[in-house]
Amino acid sequence: QSVLTQPPSASGTPGQRITISCSGNRSSIGSNVVDWYQQLPGTAPKLLIYENDQRPSGVPDRFSGSKSGTSASLAISGLQSEDEANYYCASWDDRLYGRVFGGGTKLTVL
Amino acid sequence: EVQLEESGGGLVQPGGSLRLSCAASGFTFSNYWMSWVRQAPGKGLEWVANMRQDGNEIYYVDSVRGRFTISRDNAKNSLYLQMNSLRSEDTAVYFCTRDYYYGGNSDYWGPGTLVTVSS
Repeated sequence: QSVLTQPPSASGTPGQRITISCSGNRSSIGSNVVDWYQQLPGTAPKLLIYENDQRPSGVPDRFSGSKSGTSASLAISGLQSEDEANYYCASWDDRLYGRVFGGGTKLTVL
Repeated sequence: EVQLEESGGGLVQPGGSLRLSCAASGFTFSNYWMSWVRQAPGKGLEWVANMRQDGNEIYYVDSVRGRFTISRDNAKNSLYLQMNSLRSEDTAVYFCTRDYYYGGNSDYWGPGTLVTVSS
């Protein structure tokens, strides 16, 4: 069982806006920043959002992140078929002295 | 161009050992934290270990502490993971990542190397 909790699945239609939640606790998200990663089938993960809401260069502004208290969210607007992937949140945990990942959310574009 | 390339994976019997390597290029290796992250077949991501630039700060996930050892050679631009007393639950693709700090921001990942622990 992951320290960070994500819904196992999410779905949307092209052009729609969806959000994926990531719930932690005081020692993880409550005390540290959150990253988000996108993993397309058969490939290595790719950094999508870092430090809660920052986008690396090359990541479209359709992707945005936010954090409030012990939870974080990834929003994808203008959903496209190529967004179909697994999405993972991650943070440091001060109690575990280690990085923790969410269980991942499989996004389906209908 | 930043590149990370893992090697050393393979089939090993339970209780056996394996050493993974990660060759880095395209950036100043000694300026970055580095991590190992694994993914069991059909499962999610699990952080395994990380190491500070100078090698003097190291963290491990509880399930591998005492069995796995992370190390680096800045002169050779390489990261290593010595894995001993391997168990079936260590079967996974192991990724090497470049990190901005101990807590994450893994901006580059290698393609991964598969480790299979089975008799």
